[in-house]
Amino acid sequence: QKEVEQDPGPLSVPEGAIVSLNCTYSNSAFQYFMWYRQYSRKGPELLMYTYSSGNKEDGRFTAQVDKSSKYISLFIRDSQPSDSATYLCAMSAWENYGQNFVFGPGTRLSVLP
Amino acid sequence: KAGVTQTPRYLIKTRGQQVTLSCSPISGHRSVSWYQQTPGQGLQFLFEYFSETQRNKGNFPGRFSGRQFSNSRSEMNVSTLELGDSALYLCASSPGTGGSPLHFGNGTRLTVT
Repeated sequence: QKEVEQDPGPLSVPEGAIVSLNCTYSNSAFQYFMWYRQYSRKGPELLMYTYSSGNKEDGRFTAQVDKSSKYISLFIRDSQPSDSATYLCAMSAWENYGQNFVFGPGTRLSVLP
Repeated sequence: KAGVTQTPRYLIKTRGQQVTLSCSPISGHRSVSWYQQTPGQGLQFLFEYFSETQRNKGNFPGRFSGRQFSNSRSEMNVSTLELGDSALYLCASSPGTGGSPLHFGNGTRLTVT
């Protein structure tokens, strides 16, 4: 079983739809949870960063963490064509050598006008 | 605040050559991590440097090496290039303490012919 599982998509939705992106993980030591957005030919851009279980909202984006189920989600409201990108989930935990980051493979999202 | 800067953006090299990639982290960040990104393998961790010391290393051959300077700038070197080294190489910085997320540059696209 991989440490982090993420549906690679591609996921196509019409403009204005609510998008739900999800990741599951197996390591209960993970404490920090992130979502990155990556446009073609660019590096991943940090979208959301959370520490605890629960919801965090930033504009049209909501990150949800359920540590008991080892499940994280990113919701995008009123999706726009400019949201078309690959979305990577990431999580981390402190080990004796430093902070260990693990990334999902990414979900490719297309928002159609 | 300036983001993570990577140079050059694009490189074309021949098999057997060596290459050096450069990364300037966000001001004040002491940790620099390097990742290789390919369509099939996703983001793969190469190594992390913190205060000029390699703190963590991924499962890559010894042809891949790096270093960090006293101003936190980092370089990555790949010797004896192979065709399979063609990838997007991403640098990410963070304060290196606490639970801070990674901030990525836009990468160096390396093509080995």
